[in-house]
Amino acid sequence: KNEVEQSPQNLTAQEGEFITINCSYSVGISALHWLQQHPGGGIVSLFMLSSGKKKHGRLIATINIQEKHSSLHITASHPRDSAVYICAVRSRSGGSNYKLTFGKGTLLTVNP
Amino acid sequence: GAGVSQSPSNKVTEKGKDVELRCDPISGHTALYWYRQRLGQGLEFLIYFQGNSAPDKSGLPSDRFSAERTGESVSTLTIQRTQQEDSAVYLCASSVDYNNEQFFGPGTRLTVL
Repeated sequence: KNEVEQSPQNLTAQEGEFITINCSYSVGISALHWLQQHPGGGIVSLFMLSSGKKKHGRLIATINIQEKHSSLHITASHPRDSAVYICAVRSRSGGSNYKLTFGKGTLLTVNP
Repeated sequence: GAGVSQSPSNKVTEKGKDVELRCDPISGHTALYWYRQRLGQGLEFLIYFQGNSAPDKSGLPSDRFSAERTGESVSTLTIQRTQQEDSAVYLCASSVDYNNEQFFGPGTRLTVL
């Protein structure tokens, strides 16, 4: 079982819809990252969070440390949001607390 | 300022040849990571450099893979005697230190024929 599980694997939405992507993990973490990978491969860091909630424009990320769960929300989705969204966690264990473990990603397609 | 750059952007090579991939991190970033992304797969950690400390090479898949970093600047990932299963996108990322956001380069797409 992968340490980081994302759902759904694929998501198709209509422009304007509210999107939620989920991430569950099984280890104690010091931080969780949400990344965006566009067709062509470029990866952009969206959020790094260790508690609570962060907002940037139409994107909101939340994390529940007790439940070992995070969500990425996109409000008023747009076709340019179409990308793969990747959840990654940084372990709390002392020896390798710099390593990220990645989920397999969620492919989001937003149709006009 | 400039982001993380990688070269070449694409590399096609024949099985058995050696290849060298280069990463220029953001200036001042002490932490540098190499990742591999095979087609349809998630990112895999390969190696981590932090300043002048000994690198964590635990993610390198075989002894055909090696990486170097000069101080806090350029890093090179070398794959010797390439195999078809080495075909992947190799991504480099840097951060101020391990506890901060990582900035990714555009990647090098390696195809081994």
